[in-house]
Parts: sequence; C-alpha cells; structure tokens
Amino acid sequence: GDSVTQMEGPVTLSEEAFLTINCTYTATGYPSLFWYVQYPGEGLQLLLKATKADDKGSNKGFEATYRKETTSFHLEKGSVQVSDSAVYFCAPRLSSYKLIFGSGTRLLVRP
Amino acid sequence: NAGVTQTPKFRILKIGQSMTLQCTQDMNHNYMYWYRQDPGMGLKLIYYSVGAGITDKGEVPNGYNVSRSTTEDFPLRLELAAPSQTSVYFCASSSGLAGGKTGELFFGEGSRLTVL
Repeated sequence: GDSVTQMEGPVTLSEEAFLTINCTYTATGYPSLFWYVQYPGEGLQLLLKATKADDKGSNKGFEATYRKETTSFHLEKGSVQVSDSAVYFCAPRLSSYKLIFGSGTRLLVRP
Repeated sequence: NAGVTQTPKFRILKIGQSMTLQCTQDMNHNYMYWYRQDPGMGLKLIYYSVGAGITDKGEVPNGYNVSRSTTEDFPLRLELAAPSQTSVYFCASSSGLAGGKTGELFFGEGSRLTVL
C-alpha cells in the first residue's frame, strides 16, 4: 500500500550546520510531494512542494528535489538556525484531495 | 486572513463526557479533514469530507462522528470520551486540484484535549 518513511529523530545540530532529513515514499504514479513544518505549539504549515519529477521546491533556505527514480524527497538546508527547531513532515499527495503524512522528524538546533 | 479556525484550543473532559470540536474555514475549500496527533507521533486521519453533505472515514474513526452541513464548517463530535482520545486535534482544508492548485492542506492551530 501507499506509505511514506522519514528518518527518525530527534536530529540535533549546532547552528550553521548542514541539515538533511530523508524521506522516501511508496505510491501509485507520481504524486505531488510536500514538506510541512510544525513549530512548537502550532499547527502544520506548508514549507515547500514539488509537483513533478526533478522539480526542486525551496523556501526559507530549505530545498528538496523530487527524485522519481528513488521515490525520494529529501529535505536539505545549508546552514540551520536556532529558529529552525521544529518538527518536519514529509507528505506525498495520493489523490486530488488526500495526503499521507510521515511520522515527523524533530529538529533541535543548538546555539 | 482567518484561514482555518478551531475552537476550543484546550479542553479537559471526564471519561464518558461528550463534546464537539468546531472547525470553520473561510477559503471556500471543498475538502476538509480532521487529524489527531498523539505525543511524539505523526498525524492520523480521523474523518474527511469532499463537500457539503459528504463525509467518509479515515484511519481512526472509532469514537468520533462528523457532519458537513455547509462548506465552511466541519465539526468533530466525541461521544463517551475515553483516555485514549487524549490528543491534539487538527482540522485542515484544501481546494484539491481545482483551478490548477496543487492540493496542499491548510491547518488550524489545533485543539488539545485531555480525557481524565
């Protein structure tokens, strides 16, 4: 069946370190792919998205590239900040209205 | 810019009590969802709706009911609250792919429910 797998957290980094959060999925066809972020005490908000193979989504210094051949959508940031501490969710869109969410990866950035 | 609004933000219930979590959106979205998020876990879909008058079960519907009488509102009803329903509940909405959109979800801020 359809599924999404994210690397387990927490991921603890020092400020200005490089970040990678892995995400792979199993789904029929080529779904649009999303990364959501949840800051402490808040709801989820869209971070970035990609709608077709080789598309690169980017926002706030974060990037992710839609890799069809490996069914992956890994999230990267070159230099993290303390304010990036949050939980990150990978979410493929399975149909016109349904997304599935990964289990989330908690990121903690130390000053 | 209201977006998706949930009430209440916090609630404590006793076992066996009932309550309704309210959700309203002002973006004219056809699709609406209820998720629960247990501590340290991801999101699980409880119910969803593809339009007024149409609802369907998600992964974990037991113990909950929903209705969708208008496009804007999608209340979640908890009957006979149990400790296992202690969680944070998120309402979300989406326009789907209408008008060339990409189907992303817009979330409310969440409702934290504790059942004692």
